[in-house]
Amino acid sequence: GAVVSQHPSRVICKSGTSVKIECRSLDFQATTMFWYRQFPKQSLMLMATSNEGSKATYEQGVEKDKFLINHASLTLSTLTVTSAHPEDSSFYICSAFNRATPYEQYFGPGTRLTVT
Amino acid sequence: DQQVKQNSPSLSVQEGRISILNCDYTNSMFDYFLWYKKYPAEGPTFLISISSIKDKNEDGRFTVFLNKSAKHLSLHIVPSQPGDSAVYFCAAKVDSGNTPLVFGKGTRLSVIA
Repeated sequence: GAVVSQHPSRVICKSGTSVKIECRSLDFQATTMFWYRQFPKQSLMLMATSNEGSKATYEQGVEKDKFLINHASLTLSTLTVTSAHPEDSSFYICSAFNRATPYEQYFGPGTRLTVT
Repeated sequence: DQQVKQNSPSLSVQEGRISILNCDYTNSMFDYFLWYKKYPAEGPTFLISISSIKDKNEDGRFTVFLNKSAKHLSLHIVPSQPGDSAVYFCAAKVDSGNTPLVFGKGTRLSVIA
């Protein structure tokens, strides 16, 4: 299957700083990528849909100025958590849409963010 | 309002027996359903899927059944193995385009040796 990578896998930052998470599709072009967030023992909650070359679409309740998404190329989307607070600590997962297999999404391994 | 529901948060099964994980949905526009397996601190891994035009799809030890009239699907794993212990997420999609998956809350399966 298609491969999606995320970097970093784990990050600890201080409150008030910003953190950038990268999501890459390694062997296919992803015109659309999705960013999810998972709290412990909870489901994956969609945060935003990222389309290459255009602005991301955010789900209700997700602050677009806090969670900046950039999808500058067909293989890379980034999520920047700005002015991070402890309540932003979570597991962030990206997935990519592959036109060759339109009904499936391929997930990255996730990034564990801890804000101290 | 949750469109995809997995009402059993956990399931425990003996090795060699059948595991049955259930999923219900409310949106009749969903036309494709997927099951993902997830280990802690990892991304979900695709397991098996089914189109709404089918009622069964089988892949090795995994079979997914779809009952459209009841808006219900289930994942059968037989025989269950200890390595199957993980959280299983049911997901649904409305079309073949670049629309996101809608996930259930997951069921934690424990296969006991």
